[in-house]
Amino acid sequence: EAQVTQNPRYLITVTGKKLTVTCSQNMNHEYMSWYRQDPGLGLRQIYYSMNVEVTDKGDVPEGYKVSRKEKRNFPLILESPSPNQTSLYFCASSLLGPANSPLHFGNGTRLTVT
Amino acid sequence: AQSVTQPDIHITVSEGASLELRCNYSYGATPYLFWYVQSPGQGLQLLLKYFSGDTLVQGIKGFEAEFKRSQSSFNLRKPSVHWSDAAEYFCAVGVVGGGGADGLTFGKGTHLIIQP
Repeated sequence: EAQVTQNPRYLITVTGKKLTVTCSQNMNHEYMSWYRQDPGLGLRQIYYSMNVEVTDKGDVPEGYKVSRKEKRNFPLILESPSPNQTSLYFCASSLLGPANSPLHFGNGTRLTVT
Repeated sequence: AQSVTQPDIHITVSEGASLELRCNYSYGATPYLFWYVQSPGQGLQLLLKYFSGDTLVQGIKGFEAEFKRSQSSFNLRKPSVHWSDAAEYFCAVGVVGGGGADGLTFGKGTHLIIQP
């Protein structure tokens, strides 16, 4: 089944403790992206990647890192999480890019930083 | 920079009634426009998209949207809603950079409530 898989679905952590949210897609998509969703703010793009070893900042990249060593994986790294990073995170992928082909979303990771 | 405005945070519609969700965008060039739907506890799913050509586009689940350049709008419509249409709806504008698509800018969403 074609899908975007994020793990974990729920994560509670403390300020400053490094964490990684994994994202994997099995559709051989070129483009992958991370969004955060907050009440009243909609979805905001954190980082995106057009291809392996190519990543770019989105609208809200501060406090996050990503890597794209393989086409299928696009992990989101929080080196020193803070409470303002408590949010619902979505990974998404598309064949060529979101303006040319539909975005496929994972089911989300709800992160709480205390 | 591009932006998307969805003026209605919540909309309540009776089952069987017609629906229109509003979306206005701001973008310097011809936009790529999308509507996505998010059911509770789920990721987003593409309903429809506009790239060029016919300004009335048809999507899945009986939805359609009309691009009006003069009004910078891309409103979503459905002639008769079903209880299963209750969800969060997001309008988005696509930005295409020199090397390809850069990303989407989403509106803040409209929460659709269906009354029996």
